[in-house]
Order: sequence, then C-alpha cells, then structure tokens
Amino acid sequence: GAVVSQHPSWVICKSGTSVKIECRSLDFQATTMFWYRQFPKQSLMLMATSNEGSKATYEQGVEKDKFLINHASLTLSTLTVTSAHPEDSSFYICSASGSMYNEQFFGPGTRLTVL
Amino acid sequence: AQSVAQPEDQVNVAEGNPLTVKCTYSVSGNPYLFWYVQYPNRGLQFLLKYITGDNLVKGSYGFEAEFNKSQTSFHLKKPSALVSDSALYFCAVSRSYNTDKLIFGTGTRLQVFP
Repeated sequence: GAVVSQHPSWVICKSGTSVKIECRSLDFQATTMFWYRQFPKQSLMLMATSNEGSKATYEQGVEKDKFLINHASLTLSTLTVTSAHPEDSSFYICSASGSMYNEQFFGPGTRLTVL
Repeated sequence: AQSVAQPEDQVNVAEGNPLTVKCTYSVSGNPYLFWYVQYPNRGLQFLLKYITGDNLVKGSYGFEAEFNKSQTSFHLKKPSALVSDSALYFCAVSRSYNTDKLIFGTGTRLQVFP
C-alpha cells in the first residue's frame, strides 16, 4: 500500500506561537488530502479537505484563519496552527488519496502540546 | 446526513475466542464502509473496506466484516482473537471510496485477555 508520512511526530510549543505540520505522500501523487483532529479517547473529526492547487474546504466550526492548510504539490500538504493555545493541543492526523488508489491512506499522526 | 454508530465503547474477549465489533451506518445512496485500527499514539491502519460485491469482506490480520444492507450494519469479526489485536477500532463511512471525507464512529476499544 501507499505510504503517508507526517512531520514532526510530536511538538511542544509555547502559547501564542505558530506550528507547522507536514503531510507527505511518499510513493504516490495525492490529489486530495484530509486533515483530522483527534481528542483523547475520542474519534477523528475532519477539519478540512484540500485538493492540490486549490483552497482547502473547511468543516463547519473550524477556523480557517487559525488552521491554515496549504496543498501546493501532489505530495505535500501542510497544516499551520497559528497563535496556538492550550486548547489546540491534540493529535492531528492527515490522510491522502490519489486516482490510482481506492482508499485513503493515513499518516502516523502528530501530537501537538501547547504550553 | 451520513453517520456511523459503534454502540460499544469496549469489547473484552479471551484470546482464542471469536470477536465481534459492531457498527451500524446511515448514508444516502450506496455506502462505502471501512474499518481501521489504531494503536496508542499512532495513526490509523486500514483493515478492510466494502465498496460493492460480496457482502463478506476479508481484510488484514485475519479480520473480516459482513455488510448487511437490511440491517445497515458492517460488523467486524475475527474467528480467533489474539492479545496483539488489542487496540482501538474505528468504523467509517464515505460517499466515495477515496475522494470524499470519511465519517468515523466513536471507536471501540478491543481488549483481548490471555
């Protein structure tokens, strides 16, 4: 199957700073990438869907100015948490899909802790 | 609106016994159904999917799931559980197999006791 990586795997930052998380499809072209957020002991909640070269589509209740998503190439999407606060602490997971695969492939996740 | 329900927060089973993790869904049109497993502090690993065809789907690590349209269910099963199967299992539904968002259930923690 296809491989999706995320970097970093974990990050700790101070309140008010911005954090960038990368999601890469290593061996296929990802026309669509998804960003999910998972709270402790809870399910995954979709934050946004991004198609390469287009603006991301955000789910209701997700602040697009706070969670900036860029999908500039077919192998890379980034999620930037701007002016992070402790309530942004969470596990962020991306997934990617491409025309040659009939499923989404998930990255290993990034744990963000905001102090 | 699409939705997925996993009625059990936790399932306990003894090693060697069969296991079932339940999932029911609601979606307009034909459903695309998925099962994923998550180990602590890890992303999701794909187990199996139903798109069309045979109602019994076989997946990774000996897992299988049965699509039941009349009961709108897609229960995950394994004939003989292993301690290493202990993890968090998510059922998900989508309107397409790769381009649409996945709607996840709340997850079921499977605990297999030796």
